[in-house]
Parts: sequence; structure tokens; C-alpha cells
Amino acid sequence: DTAVSQTPKYLVTQMGNDKSIKCEQNLGHDTMYWYKQDSKKFLKIMFSYNNKELIINETVPNRFSPKSPDKAHLNLHINSLELGDSAVYFCASSQPGGNSPLHFGNGTRLTVT
Amino acid sequence: GDSVTQMEGPVTLSEEAFLTINCTYTATGYPSLFWYVQYPGEGLQLLLKATKADDKGSNKGFEATYRKETTSFHLEKGSVQVSDSAVYFCALRRNSGGSNYKLTFGKGTLLTVNP
Repeated sequence: DTAVSQTPKYLVTQMGNDKSIKCEQNLGHDTMYWYKQDSKKFLKIMFSYNNKELIINETVPNRFSPKSPDKAHLNLHINSLELGDSAVYFCASSQPGGNSPLHFGNGTRLTVT
Repeated sequence: GDSVTQMEGPVTLSEEAFLTINCTYTATGYPSLFWYVQYPGEGLQLLLKATKADDKGSNKGFEATYRKETTSFHLEKGSVQVSDSAVYFCALRRNSGGSNYKLTFGKGTLLTVNP
């Protein structure tokens, strides 16, 4: 099936650890994104990449480092995890045109204890 | 900057009731507008979109019309079902410039439909 897939679905870890979330899309899109959804369901853009190039970095702490090895993948690495990082992280992809919708993965629920 | 304002939830309706979820936006130029739906435990799914003024997006009985004069994109459905229970997000995307590379969301409206 064509889709945006991200792994893992659930991630439980302790403060101070380093973790990664992987994302892959097989829709042939040029642009990929990471969004953070907080406990109140608010969605905020973290990063967007177009053709492996970083376009948007929305005041995200340096502990978060995205990596795009190719157009189909955008991984998110998080260093020194904090309690406030607990959230659901969504990967998405789209074509670059403004009228193109974003296609979202099913999310990764990160819990930092 | 760009922003989207949705009516505060939660919204609770009985099955077959009429649904309206208000959405207004602030943006430079003429953005494209979207409604997304998030069912419990799932990701966001595109519900409908409109890319220019007076366009009407529709899908699964839901409709929304892009009103430039009132900067609004209200979501409506004539008869809701229990299966429509979800969180609904209004969003905009610029058609040019660096901000084209993101979707700006409203805060979401939780809809619960009771049988």
C-alpha cells in the first residue's frame, strides 16, 4: 500500500536517553515534515524538508535533529530526552505546491518518564 | 504570521443532527484551505480542501466553502453519524514563499455523536 509509515508506534524511555523515530513515504513526494501534537491535540510544525534540503526549522531545540538520507525518508533523532518531549510525533509528506495536501503517518507516541 | 481559529469544543450532537464547525483564518495572499479528521488513536486524514475563493470542498457528506470576504472555511454536515466522532482540524497552506512548506493548523474541535 502507498503510505507514510513511521516506526515505532510507541516509544517509552527515560529522561536523558537518546532515541530515533523513522519515517518513510512511497508516494513519490518531494517534501517531508515532522509535526508534534501535544496533549491538547495542538499540532505544531517542527521541520520540513524539500528534496533532502531543510526548509523550515520552527524554533525546535538543538536536541532534535532531523536527517533525510533520501527524498523518501526523514528520520528524527532526539538527544537527552526531557519530560516535556512527551507527545505524539507525526511524519507527513506532500508535493511542494501550496494546494497539495499533506499525507500523514499514524504517529509515534513518545512517553518520557 | 498565519493563523487558524476554530470554534472551541467539545461539540456533542445526537445522531442525524446538523453539524457546523466554524473556522476563520489569517494569512497573506490566498492560501489553500483544508479540513483534516483524526479518529481516536490514528493519524490525520484529509477530509476536504479548497484552493481558491468560492471553491466548495466536499467528501463523505461534509462540505466547506472558501469565503474570502469573511476569511472563513466552515465545515458542515447535514446529518452526522456516530462514526463521525473524531477531532476535526482546519488548516491553511500558503501558495508561495517559504511558508508554503508547512500546514498551519487550528487547535482542533472534538466532535462526539451519540446514538
